[in-house]
Amino acid sequence: EAEVAQSPRYKITEKSQAVAFWCDPISGHATLYWYRQILGQGPELLVQFQDESVVDDSQLPKDRFSAERLKGVDSTLKIQPAELGDSAMYLCASSFRQEWGNEQFFGPGTRLTVL
Amino acid sequence: AQSVTQPDIHITVSEGASLELRCNYSYGATPYLFWYVQSPGQGLQLLLKYFSGDTLVQGIKGFEAEFKRSQSSFNLRKPSVHWSDAAEYFCAVGDDYKLSFGAGTTVTVRA
Repeated sequence: EAEVAQSPRYKITEKSQAVAFWCDPISGHATLYWYRQILGQGPELLVQFQDESVVDDSQLPKDRFSAERLKGVDSTLKIQPAELGDSAMYLCASSFRQEWGNEQFFGPGTRLTVL
Repeated sequence: AQSVTQPDIHITVSEGASLELRCNYSYGATPYLFWYVQSPGQGLQLLLKYFSGDTLVQGIKGFEAEFKRSQSSFNLRKPSVHWSDAAEYFCAVGDDYKLSFGAGTTVTVRA
């Protein structure tokens, strides 16, 4: 069964360092999402791509976060510099198209700890 | 803006007993509503969704949910829980193809 792949699964870094997370969506899925899930809370959308274009990045802290999906397939989320408050689970999801009939499939996430 | 409230942070239920998880939403129009489950170390899996039509929705793993517009609720139920149902459950409301999640309810199943 096709799955959303994410790496690394766990990342420990010190504050002020740069970190990057990678996501490979299910083949053929045009829409890709990055969510941040702080412990004890539900996921919060950071950025949404349709193919290689950003559809929504209104909740992305653009002073330190960046996201790209250059060829409209896999995607990278970067944080530079990392802060203590960035410790969270970063989830990637994909769907076939941007419409409500299409389920979002989630990857296993990357657990980030900033020391 | 839409929002979701899950009043119960943690529920403990005995194996074989029934389970009901509460979800209240705030949304001006007809909502798109979802329930997801997250097992430890895993991503979220869709249990069921409501867009329109029959207000009682059947999902995977024996779960069902009922949409009640008058109460702004979309509660999740399962008649008989299994130990494998221990997980975190999230209710979400959709708007403009984006999901807003509640804070989640952690379910513990005791033998």
